[in-house]
Amino acid sequence: DTAVSQTPKYLVTQMGNDKSIKCEQNLGHDTMYWYKQDSKKFLKIMFSYNNKELIINETVPNRFSPKSPDKAHLNLHINSLELGDSAVYFCASSLRAYEQYFGPGTRLTVT
Amino acid sequence: RKEVEQDPGPFNVPEGATVAFNCTYSNSASQSFFWYRQDCRKEPKLLMSVYSSGNEDGRFTAQLNRASQYISLLIRDSKLSDSATYLCAVNSPGTYKYIFGTGTRLKVLA
Repeated sequence: DTAVSQTPKYLVTQMGNDKSIKCEQNLGHDTMYWYKQDSKKFLKIMFSYNNKELIINETVPNRFSPKSPDKAHLNLHINSLELGDSAVYFCASSLRAYEQYFGPGTRLTVT
Repeated sequence: RKEVEQDPGPFNVPEGATVAFNCTYSNSASQSFFWYRQDCRKEPKLLMSVYSSGNEDGRFTAQLNRASQYISLLIRDSKLSDSATYLCAVNSPGTYKYIFGTGTRLKVLA
């Protein structure tokens, strides 16, 4: 059974489009995260939800909007995609502030 | 000074060698530390937590040096399959946020 899953795995789209990435975890964790890993492999936190409440909101363009319908799900919607949004987006989950477990990533390419 | 720093490497070592990486952090109040392993085009996978007293898991040993503000990862008897990028993660005190290092690349050579 996959612990943290993301869909889609690959996303190729044109500039200006709107897209969503979905994440689900079956670990019973109460905290979920979105990270962006750019071409230089730097893994940067974007958002985090604890029990459906937004607790981390880093300096991210407001074109990015996370949503957590319940503790097991965290989605990321991106409006008006730009070339610089191309990256791998990882979802992760944890129990409170303990170790995090990552999903397989969504490789986003904006053309 | 960056919040979390790692030597990017690569560290090229022969099979069977012992290799150690360090990860320095700037916030002396940080309490939680982890090592992750990331293979090419894959997600980071938790390797081990780092406890104050140090901890060992098979060929891997993690240590915390609070005075000098760094954590270390020692790999003994390196295997080809250990080739990967090793990321450290340091908690931002009082938050659920972890700062990741940029990773140290290890290549184990036959």
